[in-house]
Amino acid sequence: GGIITQTPKFLIGQEGQKLTLKCQQNFNHDTMYWYRQDSGKGLRLIYYSITENDLQKGDLSEGYDASREKKSSFSLTVTSAQKNEMAVFLCASSIESFSGNTLYFGEGSRLIVV
Amino acid sequence: GDSVTQTEGQVALSEEDFLTIHCNYSASGYPTLFWYVQYPGEGPQLLFRASRDKEKGSSRGFEATYDKGTTSFHLRKASVQESDSAVYYCALSDQQGTGSKLSFGKGAKLTVSP
Repeated sequence: GGIITQTPKFLIGQEGQKLTLKCQQNFNHDTMYWYRQDSGKGLRLIYYSITENDLQKGDLSEGYDASREKKSSFSLTVTSAQKNEMAVFLCASSIESFSGNTLYFGEGSRLIVV
Repeated sequence: GDSVTQTEGQVALSEEDFLTIHCNYSASGYPTLFWYVQYPGEGPQLLFRASRDKEKGSSRGFEATYDKGTTSFHLRKASVQESDSAVYYCALSDQQGTGSKLSFGKGAKLTVSP
C-alpha cells in the first residue's frame, strides 16, 4: 500500500499573501491532482500533472500555480490569498488505466485567510 | 463538457432505512462511473466503479447499476448503519482514462441516526 501526505494540515495566511501547499505520494503513481473542496459544491479540479514537470489546468486554475518537480511530489500555490478562498484542498494520485482512473486522496489541507 | 448531477445535498435516515442517492451524468460514449465516500477527517476513497452499460458495482452493502439509457448510476443500500454516515460523491472519467481527470458531483451528506 501507499500513502498521500499533505502538509500543512492547516495553513493560515493573510489576504494578499502567497501560500503554498505540499503533497507527497509513495505509490509511484504517474498522475497527481489538486482539488478544491467547498461545502455544497463538491470537488473541483485546480491542476493535474500526468508526469514529472507536466502541468495541466483544471476548471479552477485561475489564482493558483502548481509545480511537479519530482514524480512523488506536487505543490500548489495560492498566488494571492482571498477570504473567499477558504476551503479544503485535496491532493490525489492515480495510476493510469484504460478502465478509468481510481484516485487515492490525502486527508486534505484547510486554508484559513485572516 | 462531461458533468455529474447529484440532486440530494443532505440525506437524513434512521438505522435500517433504505438508502437511495441519485446520480445522473452527461458525457459522450461510455465514461467510467464511480462512487467515492468521504468519512469525517479523511480524504475521499473509492467505494466502487463501473465501466459498461448494465454493469453493477458493489461494496460494503452499497450498489449501483450503470444505466446508459437513463444516464444514471444511483447509489442504493438496503439497510444503512450509523457508521455509513459520510459524504458520498458520484464521479465520472472519460472513455480512455489515460491522463484524464475525474469530474465529481456536489456530494450528498448522509447522516444516519441510531
